[in-house]
Amino acid sequence: GAVVSQHPSWVICKSGTSVKIECRSLDFQATTMFWYRQFPKQSLMLMATSNEGSKATYEQGVEKDKFLINHASLTLSTLTVTSAHPEDSSFYICSAQGQPNEKLFFGSGTQLSVL
Amino acid sequence: LAKTTQPISMDSYEGQEVNITCSHNNIATNDYITWYQQFPSQGPRFIIQGYKTKVTNEVASLFIPADRKSSTLSLPRVSLSDTAVYYCLVVDTGRRALTFGSGTRLQVQP
Repeated sequence: GAVVSQHPSWVICKSGTSVKIECRSLDFQATTMFWYRQFPKQSLMLMATSNEGSKATYEQGVEKDKFLINHASLTLSTLTVTSAHPEDSSFYICSAQGQPNEKLFFGSGTQLSVL
Repeated sequence: LAKTTQPISMDSYEGQEVNITCSHNNIATNDYITWYQQFPSQGPRFIIQGYKTKVTNEVASLFIPADRKSSTLSLPRVSLSDTAVYYCLVVDTGRRALTFGSGTRLQVQP
């Protein structure tokens, strides 16, 4: 099946710093990528949807200035958590889709811990 | 968006067949059903999807009755490595993102 690579797997940072997470589709062109976050023992919550070359669409309650999403190419999307705070500590997961109605493939996730 | 309801948790033993039922009473005509598996600290992994009747692949079967208001994921002869959270999702073909419900936490005992 298709492979979605997400890096880093885990990151620890100090409060106030910014962290960038990369999501790459390795063997297909992802016209759309999605970013989720997941707290312990909870389900995945959709944060935003990004289409290559256009601005991301954020879900209600997600701050677009805090969670910067860039989808500059058909194989790469990045999520930057700006001025991270301890409450941003979470598991962040990306997913990618080639064409509409095709199944989504998920990255392995990034555990962010903000001290 | 069609809301899904599934048991919070299930327990089973190795070698048994496990059936996880999901209800989605307000599924729309063009929606289809998909199931994902998630291990701790990993992204979800696609298991199976279907629109109606029965779908089978190398890892699972999916049963969908005629009214499509529910679906059942069947895992034959589970092993310890099947311990995971299983998510039932109804996919709105007009909205590409997947909306996850609470999932079913399956614990397989030796």
